[in-house]
Amino acid sequence: GAGVSQTPSNKVTEKGKYVELRCDPISGHTALYWYRQSLGQGPEFLIYFQGTGAADDSGLPNDRFFAVRPEGSVSTLKIQRTERGDSAVYLCASSLRRTGNNEQFFGPGTRLTVL
Amino acid sequence: AQKITQTQPGMFVQEKEAVTLDCTYDTSDQSYGLFWYKQPSSGEMIFLIYQGSYDEQNATEGRYSLNFQKARKSANLVISASQLGDSAMYFCAMREGRPGNTPLVFGKGTRLSVIA
Repeated sequence: GAGVSQTPSNKVTEKGKYVELRCDPISGHTALYWYRQSLGQGPEFLIYFQGTGAADDSGLPNDRFFAVRPEGSVSTLKIQRTERGDSAVYLCASSLRRTGNNEQFFGPGTRLTVL
Repeated sequence: AQKITQTQPGMFVQEKEAVTLDCTYDTSDQSYGLFWYKQPSSGEMIFLIYQGSYDEQNATEGRYSLNFQKARKSANLVISASQLGDSAMYFCAMREGRPGNTPLVFGKGTRLSVIA
């Protein structure tokens, strides 16, 4: 079956612009996560959805970052007034089980470059 | 304090040999889970193996095994019979609290290079 997909795969923008990054989770997965991976680092948690609601948004760095998942499936991460420090790979993951190892399946990521 | 510590930025191993990638963790929760992911140069994160804090036996998945030492708070990944395709970044991660859908905390990773 289809895995987690993310679009675009690459996004280059100018400082101060607005960007949207899209994530299509595995069908039926109730949980969706956004992570950010800077060069040479491990992924860092941003926000997590259980269904349509954000269950934990404690990882969002500031109010320029916002994410939605209106129908409990596709999610969009929105970044306003982008800064050069926002350049990173943005990873999306989804999971199904509420117990056990709740393995998270990751998408290929969106590489964001802010010039 | 860092939740997940991977002290080896890079490791080299000869093809067909075994290699151990180190991971120590820090948590005050009694219930937690430990994961290892592989990230090839293509960028995707591939799940390898999971160990729950209450699991009495070390997890194994094919050539991967997890050396879980709870008292030392370590969860080292052992890859047996290394293959050239094992060259990648390897991340240790932890889920704190009861099993469920909770975010993972990742270490900084170890770059493994397998030499022919």
